[in-house]
Amino acid sequence: DVQLVESGGGLVQPGGSLRLSCAASGFTFDSYAMTWVRQAPGKGLEWVSAVSGSRSITYYAGSVKGRFTISRDNSNNTLFLQMNNLRVEDTAIYYCAKNMYDIAVVTEDYMDVWGKGTTVIVS
Amino acid sequence: IQMTQSPSSLSASVGDRVTITCRASQTISAYLNWYQHKAGEAPKVLIYLASTLQNGVPSRFSGSGFGTEFTLTITNVQPDDFATYYCQQSLTTPRTFGQGTKVEV
Repeated sequence: DVQLVESGGGLVQPGGSLRLSCAASGFTFDSYAMTWVRQAPGKGLEWVSAVSGSRSITYYAGSVKGRFTISRDNSNNTLFLQMNNLRVEDTAIYYCAKNMYDIAVVTEDYMDVWGKGTTVIVS
Repeated sequence: IQMTQSPSSLSASVGDRVTITCRASQTISAYLNWYQHKAGEAPKVLIYLASTLQNGVPSRFSGSGFGTEFTLTITNVQPDDFATYYCQQSLTTPRTFGQGTKVEV
């Protein structure tokens, strides 16, 4: 069964750091791009970052560029999001999601599998 | 690219037909996806490429549109359909979402 399980969320002070992880199973991990999406309290979904499958080419939303780093360990089927210099407005549930293609910027792409999220509170 | 959904929320009864609109700030061809999200659960893709139904999604969901205006229609709304729906463009990064439409009883 295809599954994504996020971990690493928690309470952190402004300016602090957290590293989120997403454990993947049930599919050939390095064949697919992966994405982080977040949802702040009372708000909608916000695309945060994506990374290609085999070449680890990365993409970021402007709101996190320079502060967050997406990476992946294909040998351990794990996706990461290193979050530095956290701000109150980064408070959200963070979801990881599997893309449909290896390259993260294929125009026909969508996210077909999602985790249940991990909560980050910056306060 | 800015994505704008309307309405932000709507009330419906079981059996109703519901239509949600999504507008893009520039043309995105058919690179538009629809997701369903329930609180505490993982989001779920319903439709990709504007009108293609994801495997396993009930046929009461349908999507249409091209360019800048798109619609998601739910015919014969079922109890399991009460949720928030998001459109998302996949033409460029960042892959922006609409602000969501909450479908309530």
